[in-house]
Amino acid sequence: QQQVKQSPQSLIVQKGGISIINCAYENTAFDYFPWYQQFPGKGPALLIAIRPDVSEKKEGRFTISFNKSAKQFSLHIMDSQPGDSATYFCAASLSGGYQKVTFGIGTKLQVIP
Amino acid sequence: GAGVSQTPSNKVTEKGKYVELRCDPISGHTALYWYRQSLGQGPEFLIYFQGTGAADDSGLPNDRFFAVRPEGSVSTLKIQRTERGDSAVYLCASSFRPWGTDTQYFGPGTRLTVL
Repeated sequence: QQQVKQSPQSLIVQKGGISIINCAYENTAFDYFPWYQQFPGKGPALLIAIRPDVSEKKEGRFTISFNKSAKQFSLHIMDSQPGDSATYFCAASLSGGYQKVTFGIGTKLQVIP
Repeated sequence: GAGVSQTPSNKVTEKGKYVELRCDPISGHTALYWYRQSLGQGPEFLIYFQGTGAADDSGLPNDRFFAVRPEGSVSTLKIQRTERGDSAVYLCASSFRPWGTDTQYFGPGTRLTVL
């Protein structure tokens, strides 16, 4: 049972373009939604996170949009750079209690010059 | 150390053998998590430690998998009678506190290959 569905699985964007990754969740108890970035040979690293009481959060070139009624959220990377090429995972967890994170399948982003 | 470290970085073993994977969390972090990442998939939760005790081992696939954290710091994931399906990257993460929105810091993982 895939509790966090992520698409697309791969994405090619030109330098300077906008990268968009979409996720949907099923468990309405989830109340914390982090995004992780993973480079080859490395572990995932927290990129940005959002709580469902806000509809948007922006940090630099990275923006999360959240639609609680649709149980969907997305990551937008503005002005995408070759250095952004990595695998991105959306995730969900419960903020109360320990943080058992449920990950999406991942999106491999390639930004071409 | 500056981050979470895991050893070995790569482990190749034969079907049926026993393996141990080690995780050194960030100093002072009380919570420790193990995840398994199969090829082309996101990490999947295996087990969570708060201090020395395993507070949630619901993600361990079967009784061939066991993990310990005897002194509340270093943790070892142990796999008995390995099977080819156990091949994956095993990730360890730690956080200062176990709850809420505390950031989990991941190690680079141990890539296990079972021949």
